[in-house]
Amino acid sequence: DIQMTQSPSSLSASIGDRVTLTCRASQAISNSLAWYQQLPGKAPKLLLSAVSRLESGVPSRFSGSGSGADYTLTISSLQPEDFAAYYCQQYFTSPRTFGQGTKLEIK
Amino acid sequence: QVQLVQSGAEVKKPGASVKVSCKASGYTFSDFNIHWVRQAPGQGLEWMGRINPKTGGTNYAQKFRGRVNVTRDTSITTVFMELSSLRFDDTAVYYCARDRDAEFFVFWGQGTRVTVSS
Repeated sequence: DIQMTQSPSSLSASIGDRVTLTCRASQAISNSLAWYQQLPGKAPKLLLSAVSRLESGVPSRFSGSGSGADYTLTISSLQPEDFAAYYCQQYFTSPRTFGQGTKLEIK
Repeated sequence: QVQLVQSGAEVKKPGASVKVSCKASGYTFSDFNIHWVRQAPGQGLEWMGRINPKTGGTNYAQKFRGRVNVTRDTSITTVFMELSSLRFDDTAVYYCARDRDAEFFVFWGQGTRVTVSS
């Protein structure tokens, strides 16, 4: 199985900050990467697929980049509703696997 | 609009089985796979398996093979996930999710909390 490693595991930031979350796969995954946001007590929500394709309704302050085995999610200017957990997921091979998550907290 | 509505919370004893349902609506049921993903308390997301509603074909994560069975009833557009031989560490919220292009998970159910307790 492909292992997905996210860093950092938690991050404290302020409203308006620019933050970058990292996701590394145990092998190259050919841009087959999605990012999800999970608010406490809620189901995950798909933000981006294919590294950088924004889902309908997702604000443009979210962006993704990367290639090979290394990918990032950037939030350009944090808003109060962005404080949540973020998970990456590879769909290059089965089983689909997730990173362990990054919890974004208010400083 | 696409909706996935799951059955309610369950409390089970170790060794028992649990069956969770996921009622799909708002799209053609046979066109998209339904997956099961679980989340233990304070932990990340773990893919368990999926079903192709058109064919009934299934794939399961190695970790759950032999203990999980995903089925569907096309007449009521509902998918079922049964997990047997429950252990304490099966305590989790179980989500169903519909994919797109058989790759990632676009729509999610609200989650079903399963507690394994003696």
